Amino acid sequence: EDQVTQSPEALRLQEGESSSLNCSYTVSGLRGLFWYRQDPGKGPEFLFTLYSAGEEKEKERLKATLTKKESFLHITAPKPEDSATYLCAVHAYSGGGADGLTFGKGTHLIIQP
Amino acid sequence: EPEVTQTPSHQVTQMGQEVILRCVPISNHLYFYWYRQILGQKVEFLVSFYNNEISEKSEIFDDQFSVERPDGSNFTLKIRSTKLEDSAMYFCASSHRQGASTDTQYFGPGTRLTVL
Repeated sequence: EDQVTQSPEALRLQEGESSSLNCSYTVSGLRGLFWYRQDPGKGPEFLFTLYSAGEEKEKERLKATLTKKESFLHITAPKPEDSATYLCAVHAYSGGGADGLTFGKGTHLIIQP
Repeated sequence: EPEVTQTPSHQVTQMGQEVILRCVPISNHLYFYWYRQILGQKVEFLVSFYNNEISEKSEIFDDQFSVERPDGSNFTLKIRSTKLEDSAMYFCASSHRQGASTDTQYFGPGTRLTVL
């Protein structure tokens, strides 16, 4: 069974204080790992897709990295508007086609001014 | 920028009633999905749909659920006889997907279903 574990569950930072969010995964075969941002009462907003170990993607203050067992979302000099829940999801190979993503519980990030 | 849209944004229904949740996927996408998120819990996969048939479904997607693409733009999720535990946010997603590689799934804003 595919599993995704995110840590920490919640993180409170001061504006400008950089940090990293972790996503550990166990899958039979990884097709892709996704990071989404979710604001309260809204749908997941796509951030990054990573396909293979060693891959890195960047967007503004966010950088996502991938190893064979985990992914990190690094947040550099965050601003209050970066406050949200960050979701990690995996798309895995399986005999049945495995179209569905398996999500972690998310990290609730609060950036204080 | 193209986006997935969903209607209604909030649906309140009585237990045992049928509800239909509607989605308009991104226009050139070929794969469509429904997920749900019970308050405070993970986003969970329900079903995927391609070429006018179900591609994959989870254990959650039992006989009370059905999906349909009634025309060239809409994608619907029907819950035949709602239960209290069906109360959740329901998200529609779509992806383009080419070949055997994975592809990004883009999510709609969700429909909040409340079963009384």
